[in-house]
Amino acid sequence: NAGVTQTPKFQVLKTGQSMTLQCAQDMNHNSMYWYRQDPGMGLRLIYYSASEGTTDKGEVPNGYNVSRLNKREFSLRLESAAPSQTSVYFCASSEVERGAFFGQGTRLTVV
Amino acid sequence: QKEVEQDPGPLSVPEGAIVSLNCTYSNSAFQYFMWYRQYSRKGPELLMYTYSSGNKEDGRFTAQVDKSSKYISLFIRDSQPSDSATYLCAWANQAGTALIFGKGTTLSVSS
Repeated sequence: NAGVTQTPKFQVLKTGQSMTLQCAQDMNHNSMYWYRQDPGMGLRLIYYSASEGTTDKGEVPNGYNVSRLNKREFSLRLESAAPSQTSVYFCASSEVERGAFFGQGTRLTVV
Repeated sequence: QKEVEQDPGPLSVPEGAIVSLNCTYSNSAFQYFMWYRQYSRKGPELLMYTYSSGNKEDGRFTAQVDKSSKYISLFIRDSQPSDSATYLCAWANQAGTALIFGKGTTLSVSS
């Protein structure tokens, strides 16, 4: 049972480049989330999807887009990467009365 | 007032000590309460999950929730060096549209 799988684990981008972070869960959860984690800032919610076909903005959505491709997959896209987007990105999925489970993260550096 | 307040520490204790970690919250809509452990360069790991006031025990860990005071605690008995990590409190609502984290408390257990 893999849980939540994120790809890639590491990425270096040049300013202005685009990329998509992939996330897949095999727990049949309805809700999925994307967070970024920066030193001293904790986990900040970028976007979430409460169910297949729906997405909503979180605390820090600017510069990002998401797609809930199906119940299993939730991707995060950076259209034009900026150095301020250097961070560790975590995907999570959750179900009521079961808690939320995280992937191992993607370390992104924008130079 | 921030939705979640958590003392960042760091907290340093000797092996075998009882550790108390605390969070307060302001939003009464939150119904589910969680504690996560995060080791350096890893994703957060779900430790405890509860949705009612009172205590929930799992091995050396006890989660305590006081909804009337909007206060939750995590107690670690007989602390071990392997407990050295950052501990994050979190809240969720039933609709899956909110999953909010504290900034985390860094714990160091010395042998």
